[in-house]
Amino acid sequence: DIQMTQSPSSLSASVGDRVTITCRASHNINNYLNWYQHEPGKPPKVLIYGASSLQSGVPSRFSGSGSGTYFTLTISSLQPEDFGTYYCQQSYSAPALTFGGGTRVEI
Amino acid sequence: EVQLVESGGGLVQAGGSLRLSCAASGFTFNTYDMHWVRQATGKGLEWVSGIGTAGDTYYPGSVKGRFTISRENAKNSLYLQMNNVRVGDTAVYYCARGVYSETYQNLMLVDYWGQGTPVTVSS
Repeated sequence: DIQMTQSPSSLSASVGDRVTITCRASHNINNYLNWYQHEPGKPPKVLIYGASSLQSGVPSRFSGSGSGTYFTLTISSLQPEDFGTYYCQQSYSAPALTFGGGTRVEI
Repeated sequence: EVQLVESGGGLVQAGGSLRLSCAASGFTFNTYDMHWVRQATGKGLEWVSGIGTAGDTYYPGSVKGRFTISRENAKNSLYLQMNNVRVGDTAVYYCARGVYSETYQNLMLVDYWGQGTPVTVSS
């Protein structure tokens, strides 16, 4: 199984801050990496797919980078509506998937 | 409108069995891979099984040999048979649809989720 490790597990930041979340894969997954935002009471929402492509409708303050085993999700200027938990997910072994442990973002 | 509605959750004793169901509507069910994902209280998302359009199945090591995913395309339904359950299987179980990206070959996203059905395993 491919393991995905996210850090930090939680963070607290202020509106306007630049926030970076990292995700490491136990094996080389090329760019088969997606990022989701999960707010309480709502289904997870795709933010970034293919490591760096912005999903349609997602604000441009979100960006992703990385390849192989190391990936980052960056929020360039944190907004109040960005609270929630962020997950990375690999699909290199699709349909077998793996989610990272999550990063809870508090404003 | 895509809808995924889970049912079958409840309280079960450790070592027992439970069968979850997911009724799908609003899309051509037999053309999509489907998944079960769970979330324990205060924990993150954990993928627990997937099934391809040809009926091929996939599991992580934590549930392999105990859980069985299946689909019945004629009924637009997805199932998860949970055997020999453990206290650690306690979670809300979500039915989810997998979709392949149009941009990147073999890149799968999870684009629709059900509301979840809770499973509690008592000792």
